[in-house]
Amino acid sequence: DQQVKQNSPSLSVQEGRISILNCDYTNSMFDYFLWYKKYPAEGPTFLISISSIKDKNEDGRFTVFLNKSAKHLSLHIVPSQPGDSAVYFCAATLTGTASKLTFGTGTRLQVTL
Amino acid sequence: ETGVTQSPTHLIKTRGQQVTLRCSSQSGHNTVSWYQQALGQGPQFIFQYYREEENGRGNFPPRFSGLQFPNYSSELNVNALELDDSALYLCASSRYRDSFEAFFGQGTRLTVV
Repeated sequence: DQQVKQNSPSLSVQEGRISILNCDYTNSMFDYFLWYKKYPAEGPTFLISISSIKDKNEDGRFTVFLNKSAKHLSLHIVPSQPGDSAVYFCAATLTGTASKLTFGTGTRLQVTL
Repeated sequence: ETGVTQSPTHLIKTRGQQVTLRCSSQSGHNTVSWYQQALGQGPQFIFQYYREEENGRGNFPPRFSGLQFPNYSSELNVNALELDDSALYLCASSRYRDSFEAFFGQGTRLTVV
């Protein structure tokens, strides 16, 4: 039972354009969501997060949007840079079990010149 | 502040054998979680240790076991290895049990032949 889904395995975007990565979840109990970025041969690194009491969180070029009614979140990267090329994982958790993360399958982002 | 380090980075074992993977948590972090990432999948939560005691377990059989030591280093032990145990094993440490953000090591690539 895949509780967190990333339906696009890959995405290619031109440098300078917007990258939009999507994530859906099925467990309505999840109340905190995170995005992690993973380069080859490295562990995932935390990128940005959002609590279910918010619908938007912004950090520099990265913005995460949460639509609770649709059980959907998205990560926007503007402008995209070649160094953003990586695998992006969406993760969800519940307050009280905070560091036990449920991950999606990942989206590989390729930013081209 | 040191990061999360795992050893070894790669390992090949034969079906039926036992393996021990090691993790050194980030300084000051009292919670460690272990994840299994199969090829093409997102990381799956195995279990978590908080102050040397197991604090939650995912859907993994008892042949997956762990230890956390007073210096917050930890081990993941897998007995009776199966071919499907071939995966990247990630260790993640958190400052507190209720911390949302986890810091991952680079992982141990286990291949079972």
